[in-house]
Amino acid sequence: KQEVTQIPAALSVPEGENLVLNCSFTDSAIYNLQWFRQDPGKGLTSLLLIQSSQREQTSGRLNASLDKSSGRSTLYIAASQPGDSATYLCAGSTSNDYKLSFGAGTTVTVRA
Amino acid sequence: DADVTQTPRNRITKTGKRIMLECSQTKGHDRMYWYRQDPGLGLRLIYYSFDVKDINKGEISDGYSVSRQAQAKFSLSLESAIPNQTALYFCATSDLGGLSYNEQFFGPGTRLTVL
Repeated sequence: KQEVTQIPAALSVPEGENLVLNCSFTDSAIYNLQWFRQDPGKGLTSLLLIQSSQREQTSGRLNASLDKSSGRSTLYIAASQPGDSATYLCAGSTSNDYKLSFGAGTTVTVRA
Repeated sequence: DADVTQTPRNRITKTGKRIMLECSQTKGHDRMYWYRQDPGLGLRLIYYSFDVKDINKGEISDGYSVSRQAQAKFSLSLESAIPNQTALYFCATSDLGGLSYNEQFFGPGTRLTVL
């Protein structure tokens, strides 16, 4: 079973600063890693998915990397805005069963 | 219209009552999942189904049951609700084939409170 950890649990930055969110996983036989955004009391929105054969994915101001050898993924958000305030969750699966295991999330506050 | 819908969105019930949460999807995906989310614990998998005739337990299935009525519908039941089942419940779908790589898409969630 894939074990996923996100540190820190919370992060506060001023507007305009770049955000770096970390995710660690235990099984290097990862099939995919998915980053989600969750607003308070709301559902999860898929931001980026990285396949095991990829090293990174980009969408607008978001860039996610995957390093299987070190068991880490990083979500990078450029030029943060107050609207980026949310909880960011990462989840990974292995090719054994394709089930996602979630980290507990990092709650981000971007101060105007 | 949303691709993954859940009903009800909020429910308050009493201990011992039977509750059904419903999920429908228009994405055409074969795989469907039920998760619960508790503060500080992340999401945990309750049940999952890879097609209409395939139902599997997740990591926390005790006290829950499911029914896959059709490719597009997957229901979660609490036969006799208890207070520690108070949580936010999510349905999700995915498709393993092609370039989908099993990317999961989530519904808006059901907030369940058991008194």
